[in-house]
Amino acid sequence: AQTVTQSQPEMSVQEAETVTLSCTYDTSESNYYLFWYKQPPSRQMILVIRQEAYKQQNATENRFSVNFQKAAKSFSLKISDSQLGDTAMYFCAFMKPAGNEKLTFGTGTRLTIIP
Amino acid sequence: GAVVSQHPSWVICKSGTSVKIECRSLDFQATTMFWYRQFPKQSLMLMATSNEGSKATYEQGVEKDKFLINHASLTLSTLTVTSAHPEDSSFYICSAQSALSYEQYFGPGTRLTVT
Repeated sequence: AQTVTQSQPEMSVQEAETVTLSCTYDTSESNYYLFWYKQPPSRQMILVIRQEAYKQQNATENRFSVNFQKAAKSFSLKISDSQLGDTAMYFCAFMKPAGNEKLTFGTGTRLTIIP
Repeated sequence: GAVVSQHPSWVICKSGTSVKIECRSLDFQATTMFWYRQFPKQSLMLMATSNEGSKATYEQGVEKDKFLINHASLTLSTLTVTSAHPEDSSFYICSAQSALSYEQYFGPGTRLTVT
């Protein structure tokens, strides 16, 4: 079974600074997908960014980028120019593409942006 | 983008009664729907996976007779909590996946309080 580990329960950073959230996972699969989801106080899950394991290039979405290290099984999220609206819980998730693709979530990191 | 709704958003029921939560994909056909449970300040725990027209697959430890899941159409799945007790109080989230994509689209969640 796959496991996803987020070792930082809470983080805080000043507005406009850069912050990196860490995520490691364990799998014997070679093909899979990785995701970062954001859950603001409204509790609506929002997809931030996704990475296909077969792609070597790191995914980027505006201020959000990942550092995907497949050999190390590491998938960190970098948020640049952080904004107050980035305050949320962030979950790293793993998916094995085979039939009903279940998501395996990490325990989450609570990120607070300080004005 | 793909939109998933849940109804109700918040429900209070008395111990011993049953409550039904609906999950609808509004602009796509969801061949697979997932039901999660989330306790305060914790991650999402997958309860079950449902495919349209077939029985749901429950995760280990989830009581299938207590949490009845029906996926009667390609746009609707329901979760019925039977004979609810205070320990069933939680935040329930559904997600939907189409046959065309591996992505899951999340509903806004339902807060259940059992008194």
